[in-house]
Amino acid sequence: RKEVEQDPGPFNVPEGATVAFNCTYSNSASQSFFWYRQDCRKEPKLLMSVYSSGNEDGRFTAQLNRASQYISLLIRDSKLSDSATYLCVVRLDDKIIFGKGTRLHILP
Amino acid sequence: DTGVSQDPRHKITKRGQNVTFRCDPISEHNRLYWYRQTLGQGPEFLTYFQNEAQLEKSRLLSDRFSAERPKGSFSTLEIQRTEQGDSAMYLCASSLLPYSEAFFGQGTRLTVV
Repeated sequence: RKEVEQDPGPFNVPEGATVAFNCTYSNSASQSFFWYRQDCRKEPKLLMSVYSSGNEDGRFTAQLNRASQYISLLIRDSKLSDSATYLCVVRLDDKIIFGKGTRLHILP
Repeated sequence: DTGVSQDPRHKITKRGQNVTFRCDPISEHNRLYWYRQTLGQGPEFLTYFQNEAQLEKSRLLSDRFSAERPKGSFSTLEIQRTEQGDSAMYLCASSLLPYSEAFFGQGTRLTVV
């Protein structure tokens, strides 16, 4: 089993739609969780941290379920500029473990 | 700019040549990471430093690869006798704490011809 697994994608959704990304992690001792966004041929950029209580930043909502070892990201009212690859990232001690990413295409 | 910086941004080299990349982390970050990323894949871990100590190396890091962080500040990644399979984006990241968010440089895109 891979350490961090994400939906393979790509997701092609119309502008204005709601998009949900899912991620699971294998090590229950994992300590912190993040979503990164990566544009084509650019570096990953931190989108948001993920907390057990759930957190929201504008149109973006992240959730963590430690019991199920599951992380989600919801994007509401999607914009063309949301088109990118979304990477699920888990930290365990000093390790930074990435999923393969899910590519999102927002269609006009 | 106080973010992570990498140099050069692009490098084209002939197979068999040696290349060296540099990473300057965020100044107060004592943890520095090197990753490699190929098209359509997530970043793959290569190695990391806590201050000047190299604490872990991936099995991806063959004996042609070496990394240093001599004074616990900037780091270099050298690839000797480059092969076409080394073509990738090499990303550097730094973080302050073991479980805190990491910040990435813009990467060095290596093309081996």
